[in-house]
Amino acid sequence: DAGITQSPRHKVTETGTPVTLRCHQTENHRYMYWYRQDPGHGLRLIHYSYGVKDTDKGEVSDGYSVSRSKTEDFLLTLESATSSQTSVYFCAISEASGGPGEQYFGPGTRLTVT
Amino acid sequence: AQSVTQPDIHITVSEGASLELRCNYSYGATPYLFWYVQSPGQGLQLLLKYFSGDTLVQGIKGFEAEFKRSQSSFNLRKPSVHWSDAAEYFCAVGDPYSGAGSYQLTFGKGTKLSVIP
Repeated sequence: DAGITQSPRHKVTETGTPVTLRCHQTENHRYMYWYRQDPGHGLRLIHYSYGVKDTDKGEVSDGYSVSRSKTEDFLLTLESATSSQTSVYFCAISEASGGPGEQYFGPGTRLTVT
Repeated sequence: AQSVTQPDIHITVSEGASLELRCNYSYGATPYLFWYVQSPGQGLQLLLKYFSGDTLVQGIKGFEAEFKRSQSSFNLRKPSVHWSDAAEYFCAVGDPYSGAGSYQLTFGKGTKLSVIP
């Protein structure tokens, strides 16, 4: 299994509070992704990174920011959490040399915003 | 932009029966194609992938998928389903001509498979 960890694995927070989710990889892969998974929507890309300090928006980026200061860590921040951000968040990594390659997923973080 | 359709939200099969999960994509050329499986409470695991060449690809756990360019499809099959195959299955496509700053996959909404013992 690819070395990907996510922390925390579960979190309950209140509306309006900031939340940071962490993704850590030990594979030295260039690409890292944050998705959210909601019933009926499948996986939707929030943000992704194609290198240290190189990030871009995905399909559902509003209300989220990311940072990547080291190859191994990709942080997702909800600046002011809302109930609509209650979801399961997955991090993925990919080497993607020469094209969009297979992605390897972390175990997920279940976030509940009350 | 590419898109992926998985027409079946939920499929139920009996253990030992054959299985086919449908995936259709919209893309101007041949994309990179993937099937993932997600067991309850778990992350996604890659089952198989197609980049080019032989249109019938073999994956893990006895799964295979066939790429049909004329139908823009990449259906997943298994000849005999086991109870442990109950999970959710996701098809995904990638644009091989996108720039190195935009290697993304687009996922379908998933098909949930239930297996009757």
